[in-house]
Amino acid sequence: DQQVKQNSPSLSVQEGRISILNCDYTNSMFDYFLWYKKYPAEGPTFLISISSIKDKNEDGRFTVFLNKSAKHLSLHIVPSQPGDSAVYFCAASEIRAGSYQLTFGKGTKLSVIP
Amino acid sequence: SAVISQKPSRDICQRGTSLTIQCQVDSQVTMMFWYRQQPGQSLTLIATANQGSEATYESGFVIDKFPISRPNLTFSTLTVSNMSPEDSSIYLCSVEQGASGTRNDFGPGTRLTVL
Repeated sequence: DQQVKQNSPSLSVQEGRISILNCDYTNSMFDYFLWYKKYPAEGPTFLISISSIKDKNEDGRFTVFLNKSAKHLSLHIVPSQPGDSAVYFCAASEIRAGSYQLTFGKGTKLSVIP
Repeated sequence: SAVISQKPSRDICQRGTSLTIQCQVDSQVTMMFWYRQQPGQSLTLIATANQGSEATYESGFVIDKFPISRPNLTFSTLTVSNMSPEDSSIYLCSVEQGASGTRNDFGPGTRLTVL
């Protein structure tokens, strides 16, 4: 049973427009949420995170929104650039066995069209 | 962020053989994690490796199949034993960064194909 779900396997956006990637979770014990970007043949790269006590975190072109009541978070990229084309993974963090452990979604492949 | 390297970057192996993947970090870290990403799937945690103690395995993963070593604070190995085609995956090493579990950094991954 997937605790972190990314229901859109792919998304195409025109350069300059907004990209919105969505993520849903089921476990109310998650206390941090993270987004990672992954290029082919590379490991995931941390992008942005948000604590469960906040509802928004912004870093340059990237903003993450958290709706705890709906157990939903989203990543907004604006304006989108061709270099943003990658697979984006949503992840949620909780303490298990004495350490913070991440649970990942399956990823959304973003294609930004020039 | 930590600089993490993995060896090999990729390999093609025969069924029934074993492969050991190495992970080197450029700084001392307490916790190291091993993940697997099967084709089209999410990253799944295999085990947590703490220096000086036995690795802790997630449900569905056992030490006989995925033995882990953690001899010091900058290095770990994961062995995939008695491989079958179902073990074909990307294997990723990861370390915890920042306070309160706010992020993990990942190595580049090892792409394993089992024939």
